[in-house]
Amino acid sequence: GDSVTQMEGPVTLSEEAFLTINCTYTATGYPSLFWYVQYPGEGLQLLLKATKADDKGSNKGFEATYRKETTSFHLEKGSVQVSDSAVYFCALSDLGSSNTGKLIFGQGTTLQVKP
Amino acid sequence: GAGVSQSPSNKVTEKGKDVELRCDPISGHTALYWYRQSLGQGLEFLIYFQGNSAPDKSGLPSDRFSAERTGGSVSTLTIQRTQQEDSAVYLCASSYSGGISYEQYFGPGTRLTVT
Repeated sequence: GDSVTQMEGPVTLSEEAFLTINCTYTATGYPSLFWYVQYPGEGLQLLLKATKADDKGSNKGFEATYRKETTSFHLEKGSVQVSDSAVYFCALSDLGSSNTGKLIFGQGTTLQVKP
Repeated sequence: GAGVSQSPSNKVTEKGKDVELRCDPISGHTALYWYRQSLGQGLEFLIYFQGNSAPDKSGLPSDRFSAERTGGSVSTLTIQRTQQEDSAVYLCASSYSGGISYEQYFGPGTRLTVT
């Protein structure tokens, strides 16, 4: 079945450092790809998405490019802030035969940014 | 406007008891999803409702789990004869419609602890 694999955490960075969180997927079709973020004490929020190959999703300085050839959707940010400390989840949604939009998540990566 | 709300926020129950978890989706959203977030399994899909269509129950882990959605709005997830492995955060999400085109908005979750 479809699956998502994320790099293990936690990731600890200093403020203004460059961030990469790796995400690869396995899917039988052509899924849409998402990054969700969960800030401490808050619910899951959509950070960005991409719906087809070579699309780049971006939001709040974060970017991810849908790479079909490497089945990847790595999250990047050029300069992280303390406020970016959170758990990040990569996810996919495959049309399949039902088009429910249900999400398949990776295990999550905890990011801690130190001042 | 109001987001997705869930109740209770925390529930502690004894093994073998039944529990009911409630989700109030965003008004006007026709699609509703239940997910479970646990240490061992990560974030996993449980069930999906879309309008008056038959629900997609493919993610329910056992027949002890059931869910209903009354009047196309409020949903209740019921776990019968709870087991310790049911301990998790149960998340509800709603979207304007089903499928991959519409963002899912998540509630804060219900933390279930089975003792």
